Amino acid sequence: GAGVSQSPSNKVTEKGKDVELRCDPISGHTALYWYRQSLGQGLEFLIYFQGNSAPDKSGLPSDRFSAERTGGSVSTLTIQRTQQEDSAVYLCASSLTSGRLSTDTQYFGPGTRLTVL
Amino acid sequence: AQSVTQPDIHITVSEGASLELRCNYSYGATPYLFWYVQSPGQGLQLLLKYFSGDTLVQGIKGFEAEFKRSQSSFNLRKPSVHWSDAAEYFCAFRGSQGNLIFGKGTKLSVKP
Repeated sequence: GAGVSQSPSNKVTEKGKDVELRCDPISGHTALYWYRQSLGQGLEFLIYFQGNSAPDKSGLPSDRFSAERTGGSVSTLTIQRTQQEDSAVYLCASSLTSGRLSTDTQYFGPGTRLTVL
Repeated sequence: AQSVTQPDIHITVSEGASLELRCNYSYGATPYLFWYVQSPGQGLQLLLKYFSGDTLVQGIKGFEAEFKRSQSSFNLRKPSVHWSDAAEYFCAFRGSQGNLIFGKGTKLSVKP
């Protein structure tokens, strides 16, 4: 497939459990972005990677959230000790390059719907 | 603060009627602007983008948008709406990290 893929598509977990969300970007895309979409907050930016490096983690909602990217490809967003307010759709996007002046399109994956009971 | 405002949460139009979705932005310079569409259960798809030059930009599916610097607006238009256009539409601009800063979205319903 040529698009951004995410897994799982749906995840139901119990409060307090840890979850891992995976994103496979388009091959060759060096930039990777994580967003969260919820009813109350709309689409929020969480973190981005240029290669394997995340220059700024200040968009992550709390220290329970972490993300990594390996081999300049797959990225994992981990939420520890999940809370009900973490319930949302987590979207991943990739683009050829990053930066404010980048004209490259961000291509979005279908998202992972996380439900915390 | 940098932000995008989409004042209409929900719009209903009849099939075949024209459409305009409003978007206003707050940013210190001329931003790179985007419109994305999200159909139920689908990811976000880029409709069109503006970086510079001609202020009227054409996109996919017959959509166009006009950048007006004086009004800090980037409204989306379509001359004749089809039932398949029913979806949620998001206006966005590129932030300092290359991330997209989105408006809250406008849900479009199409009456037969």
